[in-house]
Amino acid sequence: DGGITQSPKYLFRKEGQNVTLSCEQNLNHDAMYWYRQDPGQGLRLIYYSQIVNDFQKGDIAEGYSVSREKKESFPLTVTSAQKNPTAFYLCASSSILDRAIHEQYFGPGTRLTVT
Amino acid sequence: QKEVEQNSGPLSVPEGAIASLNCTYSDRGSQSFFWYRQYSGKSPELIMFIYSNGDKEDGRFTAQLNKASQYVSLLIRDSQPSDSATYLCAVNKHFGNEKLTFGTGTRLTIIP
Repeated sequence: DGGITQSPKYLFRKEGQNVTLSCEQNLNHDAMYWYRQDPGQGLRLIYYSQIVNDFQKGDIAEGYSVSREKKESFPLTVTSAQKNPTAFYLCASSSILDRAIHEQYFGPGTRLTVT
Repeated sequence: QKEVEQNSGPLSVPEGAIASLNCTYSDRGSQSFFWYRQYSGKSPELIMFIYSNGDKEDGRFTAQLNKASQYVSLLIRDSQPSDSATYLCAVNKHFGNEKLTFGTGTRLTIIP
């Protein structure tokens, strides 16, 4: 089955701890993205990567870090510097071969709760 | 002014009627437009995209784009209770740029 997997589905952490969220895709997509969603709000872009070993900050990158060592994988680390880390985290990917259309497909998400 | 605006709703529509969801965007140069459906507690799933002025139909869904007026809409014909969800509008602002900007979504409820 082709798709995007995120693990775990639910994650609980104590304040002050770093935590890494996993995102893997087997769609052979070039680009991958991380968003966060807070209740009643739209998706906000944290980081994105168009190619292996390269990534760019999105609109709310502070307190987060990423790596893109493999095309299939784009893990997100939520550091202790992120002031409000509790949120629903969504990973997405897209093919960028057709430069006009960049539809993104989402994984199932990870709900992070920090207390 | 928000880059992508949607009425948050809730929008209530009787079963079998047409649901009309609207989205406006601020960047006149925006290239392509996407509608996602998000059930409560789940991730967004792509319904359809449009990039040319006019209508694009896919089953019970029709996307409409009017670049001159900077709005895009989604019509759902023969609404079903399973269509009850939040609908997110997303815009790709620049040709060759993979980033999407999302609206906050419209919550749709289909009343049986």
